[in-house]
Amino acid sequence: DAKTTQPPSMDCAEGRAANLPCNHSTISGNEYVYWYRQIHSQGPQYIIHGLKNNETNEMASLIITEDRKSSTLILPHATLRDTAVYYCIVRVSAGGGNKLTFGTGTQLKVEL
Amino acid sequence: DAGVIQSPRHEVTEMGQEVTLRCKPISGHNSLFWYRQTMMRGLELLIYFNNNVPIDDSGMPEDRFSAKMPNASFSTLKIQPSEPRDSAVYFCASSLWEGSEKLFFGSGTQLSVL
Repeated sequence: DAKTTQPPSMDCAEGRAANLPCNHSTISGNEYVYWYRQIHSQGPQYIIHGLKNNETNEMASLIITEDRKSSTLILPHATLRDTAVYYCIVRVSAGGGNKLTFGTGTQLKVEL
Repeated sequence: DAGVIQSPRHEVTEMGQEVTLRCKPISGHNSLFWYRQTMMRGLELLIYFNNNVPIDDSGMPEDRFSAKMPNASFSTLKIQPSEPRDSAVYFCASSLWEGSEKLFFGSGTQLSVL
């Protein structure tokens, strides 16, 4: 699986967009980008995933660069409840078990 | 749906004792995963099952750890004997199938071995 690089921490004002970057320069053509988050004292929660097209759901948007070497998770209107560790994971999504490898992630702190 | 249910929520035991952690996956999910989280090592996959069969246990740290899934609605992770370095949060997760994009995690069991 490709390795990912994320900033260790970020701050965001409540109500503003939170843009969380992820670098995955060694990504292969059949590897997806997943984002999960972990709120303190809870299990990780799936947010979104994508292959090469931008994706949007009720939680967030995922922007993947054309060369697929980096991506950005966007929380359009961050709230205090979005304070969490955000994990960017690259993984082949086919057979072999979805053995997600979690790195250290980005600690996002949303403040008033 | 109640989600993935883990018990107990907290477990405190003494070194050398047997510890059993329990997990009930989401109904209809065919894959189950056990993860361990520590400050030093982050989230690590220990083992996963597909259709109740262990598929990959390469993450199980040593023979003191064992996991079973006797049926589709129940799994256990046992540590015997327990050691202080086993102290961690243990998460169970399930997914519809082994390649599914979404893993649904339980709330975890906080294990402290004294």
